Amino acid sequence: GIQVEQSPPDLILQEGANSTLRCNFSDSVNNLQWFHQNPWGQLINLFYIPSGTKQNGRLSATTVATERYSLLYISSSQTTDSGVYFCAVDYDSGGGADGLTFGKGTHLIIQP
Amino acid sequence: GAVVSQHPSRVICKSGTSVKIECRSLDFQATTMFWYRQFPKQSLMLMATSNEGSKATYEQGVEKDKFLINHASLTLSTLTVTSAHPEDSSFYICSATRGTGASPQHFGDGTRLSIL
Repeated sequence: GIQVEQSPPDLILQEGANSTLRCNFSDSVNNLQWFHQNPWGQLINLFYIPSGTKQNGRLSATTVATERYSLLYISSSQTTDSGVYFCAVDYDSGGGADGLTFGKGTHLIIQP
Repeated sequence: GAVVSQHPSRVICKSGTSVKIECRSLDFQATTMFWYRQFPKQSLMLMATSNEGSKATYEQGVEKDKFLINHASLTLSTLTVTSAHPEDSSFYICSATRGTGASPQHFGDGTRLSIL
């Protein structure tokens, strides 16, 4: 099946810092989503971004589908940004909707 | 829009009990729903794919007789963990998509299942 690798696995930053999280995937995808999982387990959908660039406030994401990677940028980090960030992809099987394959996540800690 | 509701949020029960978890798409019709499981400090793993009116498709290693999935309507899928044992304790989370192929998945808030 498709492989999804996220880096770095852990990241500790001071409040106000910027960060870049990376997601590499091994095959063509028709869906790529970035999520933030909060301490209660809720998955917050940040971006649906199978290709191109999107921005939402302090967060932005870019997916280069031809090179099979996506980047999530967090600017001016806040303590509430802490948590685990997951990249998940849906392999382009040419059929209907398939389940997402998740990376192992990046555990982000923002210190005050 | 695209709200998915999952109930209950937390279940604690004795070994041998069967537990039903509901997943509802509140403001859209979900052609496909998915069930995932997440063990502590691990990533989410797909368990099964559920299409309305048809049998669920289970991932390799997931026991279909243990995890019963019913998708009776375009807005409701249920997962029943039958005769649950402590090793079934986990975080179960569902998602729904309104389209086929390239459409985002919308997730419920998850159910934390603890079997004593």
